Amino acid sequence: AQSVTQLDSQVPVFEEAPVELRCNYSSSVSVYLFWYVQYPNQGLQLLLKYLSGSTLVKGINGFEAEFNKSQTSFHLRKPSVHISDTAEYFCAVSPQGAQKLVFGQGTRLTINP
Amino acid sequence: GAGVSQSPSNKVTEKGKDVELRCDPISGHTALYWYRQSLGQGLEFLIYFQGNSAPDKSGLPSDRFSAERTGGSVSTLTIQRTQQEDSAVYLCASSPGVQETQYFGPGTRLLVL
Repeated sequence: AQSVTQLDSQVPVFEEAPVELRCNYSSSVSVYLFWYVQYPNQGLQLLLKYLSGSTLVKGINGFEAEFNKSQTSFHLRKPSVHISDTAEYFCAVSPQGAQKLVFGQGTRLTINP
Repeated sequence: GAGVSQSPSNKVTEKGKDVELRCDPISGHTALYWYRQSLGQGLEFLIYFQGNSAPDKSGLPSDRFSAERTGGSVSTLTIQRTQQEDSAVYLCASSPGVQETQYFGPGTRLLVL
């Protein structure tokens, strides 16, 4: 079975500051890794994904994430956040060969002016 | 193009009633997924359809939950004899094929009184 832990339920930051949202996973098989964003009253939107290859993955809206196999982590980063980044962010894994996504509990990112 | 659509957007029902939630996937997408998002449990996988294959029902929480997908397109999630703990946002997603990016709909918010 797989599990995903997002270490921070809430992260407040000031506008234009850098941010890191942490994600660790547990799995006995190889997995694909994802970050999704959910803006208020909207569905989930894919930010980025890691399937294979380079461990540094760039996504939309200036976000990037780095896959660290030894630490089983996939932390999300952005060098300078904007008010519009206020949302809930979900880390997810999908076992290779399986179809379902296993999600973390989410991290609520709040941007203060 | 059109994204995944779900109806109704909100549903209020009384305990013990049956409800049907509808999902229209992106045209041409062969895979369709249902997830549930609730305060206590976070985002949970419910069921997955791929083409004409037997669905993966491993995430359905009880036999009160069922889903079908007609003609390889529209899907209906049915909850019989609803309970208060069924209150949640039910999310549908579709993908072009196996192991491809899942695109989420806006969800149906279900409240069981």
